[in-house]
This record gives sequence, C-alpha cells and structure tokens, in this order.
Amino acid sequence: GAVVSQHPSWVICKSGTSVKIECRSLDFQATTMFWYRQFPKQSLMLMATSNEGSKATYEQGVEKDKFLINHASLTLSTLTVTSAHPEDSSFYICSARGQGEYQPQHFGDGTRLSIL
Amino acid sequence: GQNIDQPTEMTATEGAIVQINCTYQTSGFNGLFWYQQHAGEAPTFLSYNVLDGLEEKGRFSSFLSRSKGYSYLLLKELQMKDSASYLCAVMDSNYQLIWGAGTKLIIKP
Repeated sequence: GAVVSQHPSWVICKSGTSVKIECRSLDFQATTMFWYRQFPKQSLMLMATSNEGSKATYEQGVEKDKFLINHASLTLSTLTVTSAHPEDSSFYICSARGQGEYQPQHFGDGTRLSIL
Repeated sequence: GQNIDQPTEMTATEGAIVQINCTYQTSGFNGLFWYQQHAGEAPTFLSYNVLDGLEEKGRFSSFLSRSKGYSYLLLKELQMKDSASYLCAVMDSNYQLIWGAGTKLIIKP
C-alpha cells in the first residue's frame, strides 16, 4: 500500500519551456502533498506544501509564480515550472501523506529535470 | 533554530552491524522518521518513533530518547543493497518535517 506515482521521471527541454510534473497517490487519499527539490549530494529541500482544494504554502525563497502548484483532488497534485532556465535543473520529488499529521510521507520516484 | 545532526558518511562491512545516530533540536516534537534513499532515487519510509524506546522491524531497528534529543537506526546483517543514504527527519510542533542532511552508508564486501 501507500504508492505514489510521479511523472515524468525524466525531462530534457529548452530554456523558456514550461514543464508540468504530476504526482498521484494510487491507493490512498492524500490530504497533503509536498514538493521537494534535491541537488546532488544534498538533502531534500521543501519547496511547498499543498492541501487538497486550497492554495499551496510556499517555503521562504521559493517563487510561487515560478513554481505553480495545483492540488485539485485527493489523489493528484501538479507542479509546473514556468519558463524554466538552466538553474532550475534539479531532481524534483513529490510526497503524499494520508489523513493525520503523524502519517509518514510516501514519496514518488522523482523527476530529473534538465534545462538546456 | 531547528537542527538535525547526523554523520555525513559511514563505512561498514557486509554481514556486520552499523548504528547511524541522529541528534535533534527542534521547536516541539511530534515524532521522528527514518528514510532510506538510494542514489538517484526517491526516499522510502523505514520507521517512525514517537515514544521512547526501540522499534524493531526485521533487520532494521530504530531507537528514540526524547529527553536526550537522540535517535539511532540500527542495521543488522548488512547486505550490499543497504548501501544508501539514510535520512533522519523530525516533525516539529507545527507538524513540519525537519530533514537532516543524511548519512551515506558504504558497505564493503
């Protein structure tokens, strides 16, 4: 149980392109989803927290107009990197948590984004 | 400020036992999580401790002492596939996860 699917797993695109990443909880309802970014050999950096049906809460320093998050249902959240540039290249990982703050976060497989 | 400390890297031998420590200072405490992350992959959940003591799950055990702000992950009968980074994360009073930088575990034959 507790499977989280994240697509696509790998994206290579030109600078200026917008990229959408999907995160789905397959066998549970995710009241809260999290979006992380991870640079090589570094720990996870939380970008934003989203609750179903409400606006995402962004961490300090994360541009909300650059990283658009939509959590339209209890099983789907999307992250759109708008007008991506080479410095946005990174490993993006989503996680989902069921009802209750004490539930563990279950992670998707991550999306490796490379902007040329 | 909030702080999670764990060793950057550890090396152990296949078949042996290794203990990865984690100390924390956070604003409130609602539990501590351990995750395993293989290189290039997303983390996978290993354990959750909210009360003092040892929780055993097969070859992996996790211990918590809230009074000392301390936890460890114990891995027994090490296998080559256990080579990974192990992340300690504490849930603070706002139910936010504070992540450690991770401990890279290298297993040698």
